[in-house]
Amino acid sequence: QVQLQESGPGLVKPSETLSLTCTVSGGSISNYYWSWIRQPPGKGLEWIGYIYYSGSTNYNPSLKSRVTISVDTSKKQFSLKLSSVTAADTAVYYCARLPMIPYYFDSWGQGTLVTVSS
Amino acid sequence: DIQMTQSPSTLSASVGDRVTITCRASQSISSWLAWYQQKPGKAPNLLIYKASSLESGVPSRFSGSGSGTEFTLTISSLQPDDFATYYCQQYNSYSLTFGGGTKVEIK
Repeated sequence: QVQLQESGPGLVKPSETLSLTCTVSGGSISNYYWSWIRQPPGKGLEWIGYIYYSGSTNYNPSLKSRVTISVDTSKKQFSLKLSSVTAADTAVYYCARLPMIPYYFDSWGQGTLVTVSS
Repeated sequence: DIQMTQSPSTLSASVGDRVTITCRASQSISSWLAWYQQKPGKAPNLLIYKASSLESGVPSRFSGSGSGTEFTLTISSLQPDDFATYYCQQYNSYSLTFGGGTKVEIK
């Protein structure tokens, strides 16, 4: 049973870059797509983007100019960078697995709250 | 992007009730729709994929139907563990989108 675990700072200052990492355990990182999804407090889910284990990416058009997702297969990790953050980027950030694209998310991390505040 | 609209946004029901949630797509997505359940403080949990296929381990009181632009999630007899928020998600397009969610509350 694959497990995903998000890690990173819980507080980021406005205009800075949010950086999170997702570690995959209990399964292979190869041959899957890996994604980030966020949920502002009290609101719905927003897909941020995904990356294939080989490195190809696809991002939500509304966030594309600020998002970078990368993968390190040797560490079984993939990462999210979101630049020029504002209070509107305050959210629980989830990492999740996609067996293929386009597809549904079949495994999720527990989520990590990132607050943007000075 | 394909827009997904759920209704109602909130639903009040009692244990034993039959509950139906609707999800509408802004364009046809064939049967490429999933449903998730989310409880407070937890990650979403997959219930239904390909509009009507029940994920392994999900109780049979959950069912999904529809194709094209209109879909429904039905809970045949609401149980105490089912009070949660439900989301639909389309995967017809490489740009994945979710519905706004339906919160099922205790009446």
